[in-house]
Amino acid sequence: EVVLTQSPDFQSVTPKEKVTITCRASQSIGSSLHWYQQKPDQSPKLLIKYASQSISGVPSRFSGSGSGTDFTLTINSLEPEDAAAYYCHQTSSLPLTFGQGTKLEIK
Amino acid sequence: EVQLVESGGGLVQPGGSLRLSCAASGFTLSLYTMYWVRQAPGKGLECVSGVGTRGDDTFYVDSVKGSFTISRDNSRNTLHLQMGSLRPDDMAVYYCARGTGSGWNDVFDLWGQGTMVTVSS
Repeated sequence: EVVLTQSPDFQSVTPKEKVTITCRASQSIGSSLHWYQQKPDQSPKLLIKYASQSISGVPSRFSGSGSGTDFTLTINSLEPEDAAAYYCHQTSSLPLTFGQGTKLEIK
Repeated sequence: EVQLVESGGGLVQPGGSLRLSCAASGFTLSLYTMYWVRQAPGKGLECVSGVGTRGDDTFYVDSVKGSFTISRDNSRNTLHLQMGSLRPDDMAVYYCARGTGSGWNDVFDLWGQGTMVTVSS
């Protein structure tokens, strides 16, 4: 099973800050890594697919990078509505697994 | 409107059974691999099962193998999850999700609102 480890678990940030969340896989997964955003009491929403591909309708301040075992989600110029939990997700091999999540709090 | 709507959650005693359903609308279910993802209260996401477009290719996370059965009725645009031998650690919000990609290498591009399963005596 591919274990995904995100860091940090929690981060408190101010608006307009740049935020970086990392996701490390326990084995190489190529580019089969996706990012989701989940706001309180909502379903998850796809933000980035296949490590770096943008999603229609997602603000351009969200970007992704990486391949193999190390991946990054970057949020440029954080907005108050970005307060949420963020999860990475690998689809390289079964079972499909998620990272433990990173909770972003906006100060 | 393109959407997924889950139903069937509720309170069940340990050892009991429950059948979840997910109704798809606004798109043709038969074209997509489908998944069930759960989230225990205050916890992260776990993909428990997936089913291929024709229903004959499935997978399960180890913790539910032999207890849960995923199925689909493409003629009715509906996905199901039959859950048996339920344990307290199965308690979670269960989401259905649509996969878009190749084989199991899918992104989950559409999610339902979730249905809560409570396992308690």
